[in-house]
Amino acid sequence: QKEVEQNSGPLSVPEGAIASLNCTYSDRGSQSFFWYRQYSGKSPELIMFIYSNGDKEDGRFTAQLNKASQYVSLLIRDSQPSDSATYLCAVNRDGSTLGRLYFGRGTQLTVWP
Amino acid sequence: EAQVTQNPRYLITVTGKKLTVTCSQNMNHEYMSWYRQDPGLGLRQIYYSMNVEVTDKGDVPEGYKVSRKEKRNFPLILESPSPNQTSLYFCASSLSVGQGNEQFFGPGTRLTVL
Repeated sequence: QKEVEQNSGPLSVPEGAIASLNCTYSDRGSQSFFWYRQYSGKSPELIMFIYSNGDKEDGRFTAQLNKASQYVSLLIRDSQPSDSATYLCAVNRDGSTLGRLYFGRGTQLTVWP
Repeated sequence: EAQVTQNPRYLITVTGKKLTVTCSQNMNHEYMSWYRQDPGLGLRQIYYSMNVEVTDKGDVPEGYKVSRKEKRNFPLILESPSPNQTSLYFCASSLSVGQGNEQFFGPGTRLTVL
């Protein structure tokens, strides 16, 4: 089983809609969870991180974490065409693999006007 | 400006010709890492370094070498490149490890091995 799984998409939503991106992880010891955005041909850039159960909001973005279900999601409200990109979920485990970041394969999001 | 730099940005080479991709960060970060990104496979970690002279293998270390002699630099060495190492490579760094430590990525190096 892959460490981090994401819906491969592509996900297509109209401008102004809510985009929902999902990620599951296999290791219950995972501690920190990150969402990166990657535009085509560019490097990943961090949108949000979360490490406590519940919701974390930052502007139009909300990260949700449920450790019991091993599930983390990213909601993008009022989606804009500029949000069109690939979104990468990443998980960091503490302990013996301290420092390693495991990435999902990414979900491609298209926001159409 | 705080950044991670990589050189070269683009490289076309031939099988067996040794090459080095440099990575440098100016943020005094302890942790540095190399990833490769391939279509359908996502980002996979090659090697990482927790600090000077401390390196460890990631998921796909075969065919690669690294060194960390200085805190700011973390070069990736391909002793004998092969076509299956054609990929997009990213270097990343973070202040340390632990909860919430963001990894900053370099601009990427697109490598083609003929």
